[in-house]
Amino acid sequence: AQSVTQLGSHVSVSEGALVLLRCNYSSSVPPYLFWYVQYPNQGLQLLLKYTTGATLVKGINGFEAEFKKSETSFHLTKPSAHMSDAAEYFCAVTSLGGYNKLIFGAGTRLAVHP
Amino acid sequence: GAGVSQSPRYKVAKRGQDVALRCDPISGHVSLFWYQQALGQGPEFLTYFQNEAQLDKSGLPSDRFFAERPEGSVSTLKIQRTQQEDSAVYLCASSSLRDTQYFGPGTRLTVL
Repeated sequence: AQSVTQLGSHVSVSEGALVLLRCNYSSSVPPYLFWYVQYPNQGLQLLLKYTTGATLVKGINGFEAEFKKSETSFHLTKPSAHMSDAAEYFCAVTSLGGYNKLIFGAGTRLAVHP
Repeated sequence: GAGVSQSPRYKVAKRGQDVALRCDPISGHVSLFWYQQALGQGPEFLTYFQNEAQLDKSGLPSDRFFAERPEGSVSTLKIQRTQQEDSAVYLCASSSLRDTQYFGPGTRLTVL
């Protein structure tokens, strides 16, 4: 079975500060890992994904995440927060094979203040 | 090109009514998923179609929930005799086989 834990349901940062959103996963098979962003009243938009290969993954809007197998983590970072980054962020896991049903974490709401 | 579209965007139903939610996937996408997102929670898997075949319905919460994709394109999620606990956002996603899922804007269902 697979699961995802996102530490911190709410994170608040100042504009220009580092953004760090935490995600830990549980999987008995090699995982595929995703970060999605959700703006109010909108669907989910893919930020980045890890499947195989390089463990540091770069995504859209300046975000990146590092897959650390030893720590079962896939934390999302951005060096400098922008007001437009305020949204809900979801980490998700699936696995090779099958049809890639996504298992999501509960989400982290990011607030960015001036 | 057009993304995944869903209709209606908002639906208010009285308890006991039947509702039908529509999903138009990206053209050519073989895979179609339905997820349920309760308030303050992450999306949870409901069901999966590969073309017209429903290969997994393990996430459907009760036999009041029914989904179909008869021609392998548009899909409809039907909820019979709605209950208050059915209130949620219902998200549809489509993809090429085993590729990245693209999500629609969702349908927000409120059951009074």
